[in-house]
Amino acid sequence: KAGVTQTPRYLIKTRGQQVTLSCSPISGHRSVSWYQQTPGQGLQFLFEYFSETQRNKGNFPGRFSGRQFSNSRSEMNVSTLELGDSALYLCASSLGGGMGEQFFGPGTRLTVL
Amino acid sequence: AQSVTQLGSHVSVSEGALVLLRCNYSSSVPPYLFWYVQYPNQGLQLLLKYTTGATLVKGINGFEAEFKKSETSFHLTKPSAHMSDAAEYFCAVSEGAGANNLFFGTGTRLTVIP
Repeated sequence: KAGVTQTPRYLIKTRGQQVTLSCSPISGHRSVSWYQQTPGQGLQFLFEYFSETQRNKGNFPGRFSGRQFSNSRSEMNVSTLELGDSALYLCASSLGGGMGEQFFGPGTRLTVL
Repeated sequence: AQSVTQLGSHVSVSEGALVLLRCNYSSSVPPYLFWYVQYPNQGLQLLLKYTTGATLVKGINGFEAEFKKSETSFHLTKPSAHMSDAAEYFCAVSEGAGANNLFFGTGTRLTVIP
């Protein structure tokens, strides 16, 4: 069974631009969560989508948004990029039953110049 | 609210020695607890988890952890370190059944000295 895939793996943007990251979950998984990992703040939860609906949201500004499609694939978007948005963005999928066992993708490394 | 404290951002052990990585949590509800490992330029891999039941849980690669409610701890151990164990380890807590948002500790980088 294929694991969680994220595209692109690396991305370079400039301040003020917007970016869209993509995540394909493990087949059969209906929940997709997104996390931001930075050296200063560590791993922080962004949001979770389940059956195309946002089920949980972390403490991030509205510039960070996401969506989930009927095939469970998910995208997250960051608008008006700031230097502090440079991070590794990790996507995790799970069956959605809330047992917390999430399977992580390799991440997208975003650099904002 | 949930939070996790990992004591020691860096831990060094000799190959063959005991590995002990400390994790203390705070949770307003019975927690689900996890240990993940991250190798360079990779995502996180689940080592083990505690949800309910037996408080000593065994995971992959010879790791185990014990849930101690009275001490609000979930320390990770391995009897004998191997060079391949060198990585960053994260302890995480969730709000229990129905919650898929994990709260992570700041991580502990494990170095194994040959």
